[in-house]
Amino acid sequence: QKEVEQDPGPLSVPEGAIVSLNCTYSNSAFQYFMWYRQYSRKGPELLMYTYSSGNKEDGRFTAQVDKSSKYISLFIRDSQPSDSATYLCAMREGGSEKLVFGKGTKLTVNP
Amino acid sequence: GAVVSQHPSRVICKSGTSVKIECRSLDFQATTMFWYRQFPKQSLMLMATSNEGSKATYEQGVEKDKFLINHASLTLSTLTVTSAHPEDSSFYICSARVERGNTIYFGEGSWLTVV
Repeated sequence: QKEVEQDPGPLSVPEGAIVSLNCTYSNSAFQYFMWYRQYSRKGPELLMYTYSSGNKEDGRFTAQVDKSSKYISLFIRDSQPSDSATYLCAMREGGSEKLVFGKGTKLTVNP
Repeated sequence: GAVVSQHPSRVICKSGTSVKIECRSLDFQATTMFWYRQFPKQSLMLMATSNEGSKATYEQGVEKDKFLINHASLTLSTLTVTSAHPEDSSFYICSARVERGNTIYFGEGSWLTVV
């Protein structure tokens, strides 16, 4: 079993839809959880950063962490064509600087 | 958000030559920088972690003599691919951790093509 599992998709939704992206993990020592957005042929862009369990909201984006279930989510409300990208979840242990990434989910928002 | 700059964004080199990629944190100091490699439709693979003023820590399977990493200052790390071969062609990405912080920002990446 990989440390971080993420469905690669592809996921295709109409403009305005609510998008739900998820990752599961096996390492209970992970404490920091991040979501990155990566456009084609570009470096990842940090979207959301969460410490431990709970919810965090930033504009149209909401990140959720459920450590008891080892499950994290990213919700995108009112999705736009410009949200079309690959979304990567990443996480790390408290005492480590090493990020462990999911494979990424490719999202397409159709106008 | 913080800005991490990589240069060059694209480079083509001949087989057997060396190429250097720079990674700079533009508006913050980064005691730790990371170098990744990404193949098409794959996730990021960590190559090495570099700390300012000390030797880089390489991941298992990454040749330290081939991928030379220097982190001479709090805002600059360099990756040199020595004696490049076509199989080294890839997307190389650096990231930097904000000093005394938990957030990690990525550069725009550098496309290396070895012909």
